[in-house]
Amino acid sequence: AQTVTQSQPEMSVQEAETVTLSCTYDTSESNYYLFWYKQPPSRQMILVIRQEAYKQQNATENRFSVNFQKAAKSFSLKISDSQLGDTAMYFCAFMKQDSGYALNFGKGTSLLVTP
Amino acid sequence: EPEVTQTPSHQVTQMGQEVILRCVPISNHLYFYWYRQILGQKVEFLVSFYNNEISEKSEIFDDQFSVERPDGSNFTLKIRSTKLEDSAMYFCASRAGQMNTEAFFGQGTRLTVV
Repeated sequence: AQTVTQSQPEMSVQEAETVTLSCTYDTSESNYYLFWYKQPPSRQMILVIRQEAYKQQNATENRFSVNFQKAAKSFSLKISDSQLGDTAMYFCAFMKQDSGYALNFGKGTSLLVTP
Repeated sequence: EPEVTQTPSHQVTQMGQEVILRCVPISNHLYFYWYRQILGQKVEFLVSFYNNEISEKSEIFDDQFSVERPDGSNFTLKIRSTKLEDSAMYFCASRAGQMNTEAFFGQGTRLTVV
């Protein structure tokens, strides 16, 4: 079974600053996908960024980027130029290639962006 | 923009009653999911559905749960005899195809069992 660990229950960052959320996972799979989902107060889960395990290049989406270390099984999310609208719960998630392609989520990190 | 819609947004039910949570996935998507999130906890996978059958289910998805795609648009989760511990936010999600890894989530149904 895969486990996803987010060791930071809560984090805070000032507007315009940079923050990094950590995530580690445990798997014996070689082909898989990793995701960061954002859950704002509205509760809807929104995809922030994804990474294919076979790709060495770190994924980037505008102000969001990841540091994917496959050997270390680490997948951190960096948010640059933080905005008030980034305040949300952030979940790291793992998906293996199998019949169901289900997402396995970590416990989440609550990020507060302050003025 | 296409989206996954869930109804109702909030359902209150008495313990032991049956509930049906409804979802309309994005049109032309092929993979459908139910997840739940107990308040303050992580999002947990319940079941995945493809080609009119369950493709994977978690330990949580026991005999009191069932899913159905009764027509070409709806995807339902039935809880046969609700328990207090079934109180949670239930999210439906859909995915376009095998090579499309992004799952699109609905806004959730908050189920409260009293």
